[in-house]
Amino acid sequence: QMQLVESGGGVVQPGTSLRLSCAASGFDFNIYAMHWVRQAPGKGLEWVAVIWYDGTYTFYIESVKGRFNISRDNSKKTLYLQMNSLRVDDTAIYYCARGIRNYDYLDVWGQGTAVTVS
Amino acid sequence: QSVLTQPPSVSAAPGQKVTISCSGIRSNIGVNFVSWYQQIPGTAPKLLIHDDDKRPAGIPDRFSGSKSGTSATLGITGLHTGDEAFYFCATWDNSLSAGVFGGGTRLTVL
Repeated sequence: QMQLVESGGGVVQPGTSLRLSCAASGFDFNIYAMHWVRQAPGKGLEWVAVIWYDGTYTFYIESVKGRFNISRDNSKKTLYLQMNSLRVDDTAIYYCARGIRNYDYLDVWGQGTAVTVS
Repeated sequence: QSVLTQPPSVSAAPGQKVTISCSGIRSNIGVNFVSWYQQIPGTAPKLLIHDDDKRPAGIPDRFSGSKSGTSATLGITGLHTGDEAFYFCATWDNSLSAGVFGGGTRLTVL
């Protein structure tokens, strides 16, 4: 079955870096755009970034531009989120999700990985 | 403050119907598809409605979506306690070149 599994979360200090991974299985990873969405404790969902199926286009929410980098390795069916200069307000559960027609909707979600910046 | 506006909470009795609104502007809901997600606390979001009014396989027809202009609505009929969750609308914003979510609506089935 289609599955996304995030990893790489943890507790880090402000100003440091962390790289999240999202391993895909059960579908043709290399033909879909992939997204990161986060949820701060007790808050709603916040879209973070998207990368096109072939990596040609990436888009980010304003608050992470210049600090976060979304990438993918289609040969490994893995999505990444490199997070630099982390801030306390980056604390959240980070979900990866599959995008349909790039950004029209997100139909497969991972279980999330928790990032705490403190 | 979220780009898309949803009521913080709605409630209704078992068996009744509820609607959840999602308000945006021309650059987001006005020109792009709206999707809806259900999230039970402690779990990942689940796609309920896509392309404004389409249900994925496995989503019962008690759930419906509609859109008019720059607003969208999620409808749920025949409520039961298992529907208690948070509901989020989402779309793409062409001006921001970013995905946007509503702030979420907590549904309570009294």
